[in-house]
Amino acid sequence: GAVVSQHPSWVICKSGTSVKIECRSLDFQATTMFWYRQFPKQSLMLMATSNEGSKATYEQGVEKDKFLINHASLTLSTLTVTSAHPEDSSFYICSAREQGSTSVEQFFGPGTRLTVL
Amino acid sequence: GEDVEQSLFLSVREGDSSVINCTYTDSSSTYLYWYKQEPGAGLQLLTYIFSNMDMKQDQRLTVLLNKKDKHLSLRIADTQTGDSAIYFCAEKGPVGGYQKVTFGTGTKLQVIP
Repeated sequence: GAVVSQHPSWVICKSGTSVKIECRSLDFQATTMFWYRQFPKQSLMLMATSNEGSKATYEQGVEKDKFLINHASLTLSTLTVTSAHPEDSSFYICSAREQGSTSVEQFFGPGTRLTVL
Repeated sequence: GEDVEQSLFLSVREGDSSVINCTYTDSSSTYLYWYKQEPGAGLQLLTYIFSNMDMKQDQRLTVLLNKKDKHLSLRIADTQTGDSAIYFCAEKGPVGGYQKVTFGTGTKLQVIP
């Protein structure tokens, strides 16, 4: 099946710094990638939908200046958490939908655990 | 907005059947999914059902959909310890619209040897 990777798998940073998380589709081209946030023992919350070559569409309540998304190629999307604070600590998961596919499936990355001290 | 609810926890003995239930509110859902998440990992799609179906079977997995009651269930036959995980149901909006997938709260399945 299609594989999505995320890097890093975990990161610890100091409050006020910025952190970049990469999401890559390894064996397929992804027109659309999704960024989710998961709090402990809670569901996934969609943060934004990222389309290659265009601006991301953010869900209500998600600060676009705080969570910068860049989808510069069909295999890479990045999420940058700017000026991170402890409340940004969470598990961030990306998923990707294959270009031109009629499949209903999104392929999920393994997630990135962010801890802000 | 869309809402998807699940019970938080289910415990079963190895070899028994597990039934995980889910309710949703969006009557225009087109697809409903079941995902499995193991500790510290991303989500793995287990199975999905189109909204005009009422049942789908895939090896040990049986999905039942009651569209009238907006109720979805996942039955795992002969549950194994490797099935211990969190199971999320999810629904996808109408074709042609903004096809957002909304996830449920997740059910933690514990399989007792």
